[in-house]
Amino acid sequence: EVVMTQSPATQSVSPGERATLSCRASQSIRSALAWYQQKPGQAPRLLIYGASTRATGIPARFSGSGSGTEFTLTISSLQSEDFAVYYCQQYNMWPDTFGQGTKLEIK
Amino acid sequence: QVQLVQSGAELKKPGSSVKVSCKTSGATFSSYSISWVRQAPGQGLEWMGRIIPVIGSPSHSQKFQGRLTISADASTTTIHMELRSLKSDDTAVYYCARDSGYQMLPYYFDYWGRGTLVTVSS
Repeated sequence: EVVMTQSPATQSVSPGERATLSCRASQSIRSALAWYQQKPGQAPRLLIYGASTRATGIPARFSGSGSGTEFTLTISSLQSEDFAVYYCQQYNMWPDTFGQGTKLEIK
Repeated sequence: QVQLVQSGAELKKPGSSVKVSCKTSGATFSSYSISWVRQAPGQGLEWMGRIIPVIGSPSHSQKFQGRLTISADASTTTIHMELRSLKSDDTAVYYCARDSGYQMLPYYFDYWGRGTLVTVSS
């Protein structure tokens, strides 16, 4: 199966600053990469699919890039509601697999 | 508005079975496949399997082969997930999620249920 590795495990960022989260696939997944945000006690929420397409209702401060094995989620100016755990997921090959998550915390 | 309504929390003993349900709308039931994803306490997300509801054919992660049954009830547009021979490390929140497509392929998940906590403890 495709192993997804996210880095860092935890990132401390101040509100208003930019956050950059990384996701690496163990083999090429083309652009079949999604990003999710999860807050405590809530289900994950789809942010990005196709590596760079924002899902419906997702603010423009969220952007995704990359293809092949290296992907990035950028949050341009962190708002208080953005502090959460972020997961990447590949859907190029069966079975669907997730990264272990990056926790974005307030600095 | 797309809604996936899951059944309530369960407490089960090791070796027993649990069945979790996910009520969908008619449009979702007929036009999308549905996946189950679980999350152990403090851990990440793990895809378990999916079903094309109107066809009824499921696909499971090999990790759960022999223990997992995913089924669909067209009369109630409800998807069921049954996990057997429960162990303590099956304690998790189980989510149903709508796939972004309708075939037996990997997909991203565009809508999620709120999750069902299954606790396995003696």
